[in-house]
Amino acid sequence: DTAVSQTPKYLVTQMGNDKSIKCEQNLGHDTMYWYKQDSKKFLKIMFSYNNKELIINETVPNRFSPKSPDKAHLNLHINSLELGDSAVYFCASSPDRSSGNTIYFGEGSWLTVV
Amino acid sequence: DQQVKQNSPSLSVQEGRISILNCDYTNSMFDYFLWYKKYPAEGPTFLISISSIKDKNEDGRFTVFLNKSAKHLSLHIVPSQPGDSAVYFCAASVYGGSQGNLIFGKGTKLSVKP
Repeated sequence: DTAVSQTPKYLVTQMGNDKSIKCEQNLGHDTMYWYKQDSKKFLKIMFSYNNKELIINETVPNRFSPKSPDKAHLNLHINSLELGDSAVYFCASSPDRSSGNTIYFGEGSWLTVV
Repeated sequence: DQQVKQNSPSLSVQEGRISILNCDYTNSMFDYFLWYKKYPAEGPTFLISISSIKDKNEDGRFTVFLNKSAKHLSLHIVPSQPGDSAVYFCAASVYGGSQGNLIFGKGTKLSVKP
């Protein structure tokens, strides 16, 4: 059983479109994250939710909107996609918001904007 | 501004020998460090961690060393196996912090040759 699962794994879309990436974790964790790995291979946090509450929102354009319907799900919606949004997006979760906890990652969603 | 640096993008080692992956950090507030391993088309998976109150943590073939004065940590893999071939990310955070934000390095691609 996949602990952190995200869909779709691959997504190719045109500039200007709106797309969503879904994420679910079955670990019973309270905290979920979205990380972005860009073309330079940097893996950076975008958002963090704890029990459906937003606790981290890094400098991310407003076109990116996370939504957490419950603590097991954290979806990422992106409006008006731009070429620079092409990246790998990783969903992740941890038992709680303490930095001492291991973060468990999903397999990643490869987004290509053309 | 990279707070966590992995200056070697790649490393090639013969099977059975030692692999040493290095990581430097600049933020003196970091006091919890982790190594993640990533295979192609998969998400990073937790490997080993160390808190700043220790200078060494060992788990099987993997040992992490921390030199706080030099702001340097390293991951030793002994003996190296072909299955260890992957990208290794160093990550750091402030332990006990409320945000669960990990700062990642760019990764080092390890190739273990049979």
